[in-house]
Amino acid sequence: KAGVTQTPRYLIKTRGQQVTLSCSPISGHRSVSWYQQTPGQGLQFLFEYFSETQRNKGNFPGRFSGRQFSNSRSEMNVSTLELGDSALYLCASSPPRGPADTQYFGPGTRLTVL
Amino acid sequence: GENVEQHPSTLSVQEGDSAVIKCTYSDSASNYFPWYKQELGKRPQLIIDIRSNVGEKKDQRIAVTLNKTAKHFSLHITETQPEDSAVYFCAASRAGANNLFFGTGTRLTVIP
Repeated sequence: KAGVTQTPRYLIKTRGQQVTLSCSPISGHRSVSWYQQTPGQGLQFLFEYFSETQRNKGNFPGRFSGRQFSNSRSEMNVSTLELGDSALYLCASSPPRGPADTQYFGPGTRLTVL
Repeated sequence: GENVEQHPSTLSVQEGDSAVIKCTYSDSASNYFPWYKQELGKRPQLIIDIRSNVGEKKDQRIAVTLNKTAKHFSLHITETQPEDSAVYFCAASRAGANNLFFGTGTRLTVIP
């Protein structure tokens, strides 16, 4: 089974721009969670989607948003980019049966804001 | 919300020795505790997890213990090897919530 994939792997943007990141979960997984990883703040939860609905949201400003499609693929969007948004953005998917909270991570998208 | 603390931040051991990483959490409702290993430039990989109805779980050289009363859990790696060198993260969440709260990580270096 293919793992979680994320595109693009690297992105460079400038302040004020917006960006969209994509995540394809493991086949059959319906839950997708997003995390931000930075050297200063570590790994922080952004939000989680299940069956196209946001179920949980972390403590991030409204500039960070997401959505999930009927095929479980998810996108996250960051508007009006700030320098502090430079980070590795990771998504993780969880299986539909068994321990539903086991999360498998994708390789991440490295976003650099200049 | 949940707050997870992890110690130590760095750990160096000789090959063959044991390594122990400790975490505490604040939310008594948390009942799922995974451990992830992240090598440089790679994704976090789940290495072991434990749920609150279990006090200890072992998988070959890796074991995790959980003390719900004291709200702490630990990762034990025995017979360490150079390929165990990585950053290890503990996390906690309520079962099924799919929002992990991570510790700050421990950089483990195994010296050959």
